[in-house]
Amino acid sequence: TQTVSQSDAHVTVFEGDSVELRCNYSYGGSIYLSWYIQHHGRGLQFLLKYYSGNPVVQGVNGFKAEFSKSDSSFHLRKASVHWSDSAVYFCAVSASSGSWQLIFGSGTQLTVMP
Amino acid sequence: NSKVIQTPRYLVKGQGQKAKMRCIPEKGHPVVFWYQQNKNNEFKFLINFQNQEVLQQIDMTEKRFSAECPSNSPCSLEIQSSEAGDSALYLCASSLRGQNSDYTFGSGTRLLVI
Repeated sequence: TQTVSQSDAHVTVFEGDSVELRCNYSYGGSIYLSWYIQHHGRGLQFLLKYYSGNPVVQGVNGFKAEFSKSDSSFHLRKASVHWSDSAVYFCAVSASSGSWQLIFGSGTQLTVMP
Repeated sequence: NSKVIQTPRYLVKGQGQKAKMRCIPEKGHPVVFWYQQNKNNEFKFLINFQNQEVLQQIDMTEKRFSAECPSNSPCSLEIQSSEAGDSALYLCASSLRGQNSDYTFGSGTRLLVI
């Protein structure tokens, strides 16, 4: 059974700071990992994904994430955040075979202070 | 603006009433998913379709929930007899492929059962 863990429920930073949002997963086979952002009262917006190849993946709006098989992690990073980045961020995993469902983490609320 | 259109944005029903929501997937996306997101940001997969055929669904969906994706019409999710515990944000997502594919989410239908 796949699981996704986001250890930080809330992260608060100032505008211009760098940020790392943590995601750890457990799954034995090859997997597909992704990050989504959800602004208040809205649906989810795709940020980036990893399936194979370069473990560092670039996403929209300056976000990037690094896959680590040894650490079972897929942390999201941004070098300089903007107030508009304030939202809830979800890490998700789906099996590369079998179920097509996404398994979501519990989310991290990112608050960017002006 | 999302390319997946969900209507209505808000839905208020009494217990025992039917609740129906609709989703127009992104053009060219044959795979459609329905998820339920509760107030604790927990996601529950409900059902998915490829074109008009059901691929997977959970037991809850089989009993009180019904869904369809007819050709040339919006997809729909209907709760036959709403319960208070059904109050949640219902998210529709579509993708080009079921596996290893980016999902486009709609803005959701927020259901309140009173």
